[in-house]
Amino acid sequence: AQSVSQHNHHVILSEAASLELGCNYSYGGTVNLFWYVQYPGQHLQLLLKYFSGDPLVKGIKGFEAEFIKSKFSFNLRKPSVQWSDTAEYFCAVNPSGGYNKLIFGAGTRLAVHP
Amino acid sequence: ETGVTQTPRHLVMGMTNKKSLKCEQHLGHNAMYWYKQSAKKPLELMFVYSLEERVENNSVPSRFSPECPNSSHLFLHLHTLQPEDSALYLCASSQDSAGTGSTDTQYFGPGTRLTVL
Repeated sequence: AQSVSQHNHHVILSEAASLELGCNYSYGGTVNLFWYVQYPGQHLQLLLKYFSGDPLVKGIKGFEAEFIKSKFSFNLRKPSVQWSDTAEYFCAVNPSGGYNKLIFGAGTRLAVHP
Repeated sequence: ETGVTQTPRHLVMGMTNKKSLKCEQHLGHNAMYWYKQSAKKPLELMFVYSLEERVENNSVPSRFSPECPNSSHLFLHLHTLQPEDSALYLCASSQDSAGTGSTDTQYFGPGTRLTVL
């Protein structure tokens, strides 16, 4: 079955530290890839997405993600985190073809301490 | 109001009650979705509607009954639920449901926190 794995369930960082959140998926075909973020008390928001082209995609608030097809990975990165990045981050995969259906990872809770 | 809205935000119901969740999207999209977010489990897709037609039912029990009267509104009718159905129910919409690329980005509402006693 198709699945998405996020290896880190909880991450604690200090401000200005670098961030990398892992995401791997199991699907052999073409995929569209997403990172969503859920800030405390708010709804899920799109952080960035990959459909085709340059495998390094840039999103809002200084986040970026790199699609490595050979590794079935779409890791999220940010060079220097801020306290306001405290949130839960979800990786999601949409296998191309058929109906639009996102398969989500379990999420990673990030806490950034000042 | 913009984006995707959901009402109520919180709902407590008994196992014999009948209630409905409402979702409205103000984005002019043609596709709408119901997801379930349980504690310690990934978000699970429940239903997909495209142009008011249900196109995906992800093996959801019949005690959950969706309805899409038009492309802006989506309901989830609930009856004889079980305590394990307690969860956050999220609605989403996208421009289309074809899964072809840039037009299928899904936008989420704030969710309804459901507690079944």
